[in-house]
Amino acid sequence: EIVMTQSPATLSVSPGERATLSCRASQSVSSNLAWYQQKPGQAPRLLIYAASTRATGIPARFSGSGSGTEFTLTISSLQSEDFAVYYCQQYNNWPLRNTFGQGTKLEIK
Amino acid sequence: EVQLVESGGGLVQPGRSLRLSCAASGFTFDDYAIHWVRQAPGKGLEWVSGISWNSGTVAYADSVKGRFTMSRDNAKNSLYLQMNSLRVEDTALYYCAKDISVTGRYYFDYWGQGTLVTVSS
Repeated sequence: EIVMTQSPATLSVSPGERATLSCRASQSVSSNLAWYQQKPGQAPRLLIYAASTRATGIPARFSGSGSGTEFTLTISSLQSEDFAVYYCQQYNNWPLRNTFGQGTKLEIK
Repeated sequence: EVQLVESGGGLVQPGRSLRLSCAASGFTFDDYAIHWVRQAPGKGLEWVSGISWNSGTVAYADSVKGRFTMSRDNAKNSLYLQMNSLRVEDTALYYCAKDISVTGRYYFDYWGQGTLVTVSS
C-alpha cells in the first residue's frame, strides 16, 4: 500500500515570505494528488487537485507541482490566514487506504 | 450552496454501536460518491469509508472493516455509517466528504463540519 509522507512536520515562516511544503509517495501516484488546508476548528478545504490545478476560489499565491512520487505545495507570499495545517492526499490507488499524509503545520515565525 | 451536515455522534461505551448520518443538499446527491473521513483529537485525517453513487462499490479502511457499514439513501439525500463493536481508538471527529466523481476514486471538494464520536467507559 502507498504511504504518503509530508515534510517538515512543522514549518515556521514569517508573513510575506514563501513557504514550501513537501509530500512524498512511497510509489508513483502519477499526478493524482490533492492538497487541503485545515484551520483550527474547521473542516479541511480543497486547495489543489491533479497536483497543480487550483480549486475554485483559491488564491493564485497557492501553487502545486510535481508528479510521480515527489510533490510540492508553495505559498508565494504568506498571509495571516494561511497559517494552518496542510495535508496531501493521493487518489491514484483504490480503495483510498493511507490516502492522506500526516500533515504539515505552518506556523508564524 | 453545497451542504453536508453530519449527526449522530456522542459518547458510547466500548463494544457498543452508533449510527452516524450525513444530510446533503445543494447538489444532485446521486451524481456523486461520498466518503467518511475521521480525525482523532489532535491527529491527522484518516479515510474511513467510501461509497459510489449507486452503492455499487463500498470500501473500508482496514481499521474498520468488518465493524463499520456505510450506506446511502438517494431518495433522502442521506448517507449513513453504522458503527459496531466500537473501540476507544475509534474516538474522532467524523466528517462526510463529497467526491468529485460518481465512483469515489478521487478527491473531496466539499466537507461537512463533522460529528464527534467518543468511545469511553
